[in-house]
Amino acid sequence: ETGVTQTPRHLVMGMTNKKSLKCEQHLGHNAMYWYKQSAKKPLELMFVYNFKEQTENNSVPSRFSPECPNSSHLFLHLHTLQPEDSALYLCASSQDESAGGANVLTFGAGSRLTVL
Amino acid sequence: GQNIDQPTEMTATEGAIVQINCTYQTSGFNGLFWYQQHAGEAPTFLSYNVLDGLEEKGRFSSFLSRSKGYSYLLLKELQMKDSASYLCLSMDSNYQLIWGAGTKLIIKP
Repeated sequence: ETGVTQTPRHLVMGMTNKKSLKCEQHLGHNAMYWYKQSAKKPLELMFVYNFKEQTENNSVPSRFSPECPNSSHLFLHLHTLQPEDSALYLCASSQDESAGGANVLTFGAGSRLTVL
Repeated sequence: GQNIDQPTEMTATEGAIVQINCTYQTSGFNGLFWYQQHAGEAPTFLSYNVLDGLEEKGRFSSFLSRSKGYSYLLLKELQMKDSASYLCLSMDSNYQLIWGAGTKLIIKP
């Protein structure tokens, strides 16, 4: 399998649930990202891992917890979410976070999250 | 602050040409990207400009003017499958990506 794969594609959860989103890439990339996409808003960068080290945490609430066990896998652990957290969560990877113009992002299809 | 502006929505006719404009304000500049995103799908890379001028790739071209903080994406010979959102983003001096909200392009027969 090639590209960036995200699971699950759709997730409905209550505010007291704990769930996780998974992202996997088979491109040999060294940087992985979590983005939040809400309707008619710019993509919001949440977390960046470069060579398995977290390099960016964009003031994300602690109810979102990332995990990067190796350069091919990225998780987003969710707990006690709020309805306003409902959005499309996109995972992406790139060769290297600081590669400038070579830093083309390859995205997964996203996980559509609904918090009730 | 850092900002990207692009129109929210545009409509064009199949077979025609459309130009999607983008203006940017960033702290330093390391290039401008365009991505395409079909509804329910992943954004995919279209183009990257770091020098002034026009880059052509088949039916799609991207233009950059660094002095004006301005870029456009030009789509020729529009096809129905070009209906999508087009995302403009700039890379600042720290290699941070600043995203626009996207332009939803609707193609009519």
